[in-house]
Amino acid sequence: AQKITQTQPGMFVQEKEAVTLDCTYDTSDPSYGLFWYKQPSSGEMIFLIYQGSYDQQNATEGRYSLNFQKARKSANLVISASQLGDSAMYFCAMRGFSGGYNKLIFGAGTRLAVHP
Amino acid sequence: DVKVTQSSRYLVKRTGEKVFLECVQDMDHENMFWYRQDPGLGLRLIYFSYDVKMKEKGDIPEGYSVSREKKERFSLILESASTNQTSMYLCASSRDRESNEQFFGPGTRLTVL
Repeated sequence: AQKITQTQPGMFVQEKEAVTLDCTYDTSDPSYGLFWYKQPSSGEMIFLIYQGSYDQQNATEGRYSLNFQKARKSANLVISASQLGDSAMYFCAMRGFSGGYNKLIFGAGTRLAVHP
Repeated sequence: DVKVTQSSRYLVKRTGEKVFLECVQDMDHENMFWYRQDPGLGLRLIYFSYDVKMKEKGDIPEGYSVSREKKERFSLILESASTNQTSMYLCASSRDRESNEQFFGPGTRLTVL
């Protein structure tokens, strides 16, 4: 079965510091994709970063980077130089193939609070 | 920019009522999805559609149905609302089956009394 696990229900970080949000996954598919989404209090899901299972390098998008460790089945999100606007829920997701279709499977999420 | 809109941000209904949640996307995307979001459970897929008039069950379809008569519109229907369907409902779309990214609407927070 395909599964995403986020073990940190909540995280705190001081403004301007870096923070790592953990994500582990389980799949038997040889090809898959990993995503991180941000959900501010407004409710909308905002796509942050994507990592393909065959990508050789870790994905980066501005202050976001994905620490992809395939052997450990982990895909942690690193946010550098945290800002107050980074306070939100963060979801890790995996694109899995099930029943003939590609689907996104989400973790339970981590609530990040950035303190001034 | 892709825009996904949902008909209501907040909705309050009574047990047994028929509820329609509407979702519209303006980028000619083939795929559309309905999720519900509950604390500690993340997002769970209810139904999805890869084409007009086509629908597939997700992980938790019980108590729900969907309709996709036009490419841009995907409706979620609660035939007889129950209190355990109180939740945040999120609609999403993606360009096609090979697309990596799903674009989400703002969500509808449904309360069933």
